[in-house]
Amino acid sequence: DGGITQSPKYLFRKEGQNVTLSCEQNLNHDAMYWYRQDPGQGLRLIYYSQIVNDFQKGDIAEGYSVSREKKESFPLTVTSAQKNPTAFYLCASSIDWGLPRYEQYFGPGTRLTVT
Amino acid sequence: AQKITQTQPGMFVQEKEAVTLDCTYDTSDQSYGLFWYKQPSSGEMIFLIYQGSYDEQNATEGRYSLNFQKARKSANLVISASQLGDSAMYFCAMREGRDSSYKLIFGSGTRLLVRP
Repeated sequence: DGGITQSPKYLFRKEGQNVTLSCEQNLNHDAMYWYRQDPGQGLRLIYYSQIVNDFQKGDIAEGYSVSREKKESFPLTVTSAQKNPTAFYLCASSIDWGLPRYEQYFGPGTRLTVT
Repeated sequence: AQKITQTQPGMFVQEKEAVTLDCTYDTSDQSYGLFWYKQPSSGEMIFLIYQGSYDEQNATEGRYSLNFQKARKSANLVISASQLGDSAMYFCAMREGRDSSYKLIFGSGTRLLVRP
């Protein structure tokens, strides 16, 4: 079955530690995205990538880093510089052929708690 | 200014009745897309329905329909014959054609609770 996997579902870290969230897709989509969701709010874009070895900052990129070495994978690192990292993180992918038509498919999310 | 506004933080509906979730948007683009997603308590985002700015007909997908009023910049989601499994958060989102990131801009969501 095609889809997006994110692991782990729940992640706990101590303050000051970097942590990497995994995102893998087998949909053969070119574009991948990372969103952050805080309680009672919508999603906000952290980073996106439209092709391998290229990525761009979204609206709230400070304190995060990404890589896109393979089409299928787009890991997100939450660094110690992120002031409030506790949140729900969602990865998404889509076909991007220059039209707004294509929906984004989302993974199940990773709930990160930093204490 | 917010680009996507969902003014109903929470809604109740009786099982088997229809419900309308409101969404207004703001864009100066001529080409854009509007999406509705459902987020159950488990957290995943489930795509429900899409409406393109140039689409003349309102979109429909099973029990979901989108009441698109372009001049009023509204894209309300209508769920017919509500089921208990429809209880979830619902997000309206927009993708602007000129934004090269093709990112989705989300509203703050509406929590729908279906009563038996």
